[in-house]
Amino acid sequence: GESVGLHLPTLSVQEGDNSIINCAYSNSASDYFIWYKQESGKGPQFIIDIRSNMDKRQGQRVTVLLNKTVKHLSLQIAATQPGDSAVYFCAENNAGGGNKLTFGTGTQLKVEL
Amino acid sequence: DTEVTQTPKHLVMGMTNKKSLKCEQHMGHRAMYWYKQKAKKPPELMFVYSYEKLSINESVPSRFSPECPNSSLLNLHLHALQPEDSALYLCASSQDQNTDTQYFGPGTRLTVL
Repeated sequence: GESVGLHLPTLSVQEGDNSIINCAYSNSASDYFIWYKQESGKGPQFIIDIRSNMDKRQGQRVTVLLNKTVKHLSLQIAATQPGDSAVYFCAENNAGGGNKLTFGTGTQLKVEL
Repeated sequence: DTEVTQTPKHLVMGMTNKKSLKCEQHMGHRAMYWYKQKAKKPPELMFVYSYEKLSINESVPSRFSPECPNSSLLNLHLHALQPEDSALYLCASSQDQNTDTQYFGPGTRLTVL
């Protein structure tokens, strides 16, 4: 049989659609959040970050939303492309923790042509 | 340039071998990190170096020995590893150990036989 934890949550979207990847964080003291993209066989690549004094930040085709009330973070990708296929991790950073990142479990984004 | 390089890309070793992983960055960053990542799991922090001094050791077994010879280089010395230590070993760096973006290298895929 298959072991628990070996399957990443998966989001499948059509090319050109918008993607929304969600993340719940645990530490209300965390004040800095980062989204990373990890393609197969590569290291995590920085996408966008947001500090806790903001609730929205936009980059090129990406937007991060932060809801501190419910400790929720989301990454929106506009006009999703095949090259966006990867695993996406959110990470939280507690200011008092020496820049220790705690990563979420990750979401596999699959872009269908 | 936000490049962190790691060598080797792949490493296969026996349980009695001694080997080293190397990481290099030329961004002037003063904090460097080692992470371990198992398949379909998020990266887990192992060690943090700040200004070439070991700052955080996340209770890593002594068969893993980090070294920071200078501000640009970070090594991870491996000795008497176990098969369960097989994983992707990621190096990252940041401007300093305050809340700051960490940039990752491509990783070394380690297999212990």
